[in-house]
Amino acid sequence: SQKIEQNSEALNIQEGKTATLTCNYTNYSPAYLQWYRQDPGRGPVFLLLIRENEKEKRKERLKVTFDTTLKQSLFHITASQPADSATYLCALEVSGYSTLTFGKGTMLLVSP
Amino acid sequence: GAVVSQHPSWVICKSGTSVKIECRSLDFQATTMFWYRQFPKQSLMLMATSNEGSKATYEQGVEKDKFLINHASLTLSTLTVTSAHPEDSSFYICSITRQGEKAFFGQGTRLTVV
Repeated sequence: SQKIEQNSEALNIQEGKTATLTCNYTNYSPAYLQWYRQDPGRGPVFLLLIRENEKEKRKERLKVTFDTTLKQSLFHITASQPADSATYLCALEVSGYSTLTFGKGTMLLVSP
Repeated sequence: GAVVSQHPSWVICKSGTSVKIECRSLDFQATTMFWYRQFPKQSLMLMATSNEGSKATYEQGVEKDKFLINHASLTLSTLTVTSAHPEDSSFYICSITRQGEKAFFGQGTRLTVV
């Protein structure tokens, strides 16, 4: 069966450190992989999109890698800040469809 | 970028009543909108794809007679939860997107059925 797995346990790190979140998937061949941020009681907000033929994407303090052989994406936040505390969701889009399938998300807690 | 407005942000209703949730695309003509449901600590689950001017496409296991979707214009889709029960209590979110592009989400609606 198709699965998208993200660390279910919260990730606790200290301010200034780099946070690394993992998204693994099975039985998918995604054309695109996206990362979203979700705050409690709010809808997700888009962060980054990476295509199947791209290895890495950066945006300010954010970096996403995409390994289609390992079927894994890593999401990095460098110089983390308490304001980065939120739940981060990865989502897959299969080629030819515009629907997104989401993982459960990983909660990140950045302590001052 | 597109802005999506969802209303209401929260609603409490009695069991057996119906609740309507609106999703508006403020600056983008959306022929397709998506409705998701999210239970606590769970992922967003796609319920249905709302198509302007035609019937919605429902995901497996979602009752189309219970979750009525109307997409009468390019900027408005509505989701009506009919005969609501406590197990329908959840966080409902709409979104618009295009293939290969980022999705824009509404603020979400917290439905509590008592």
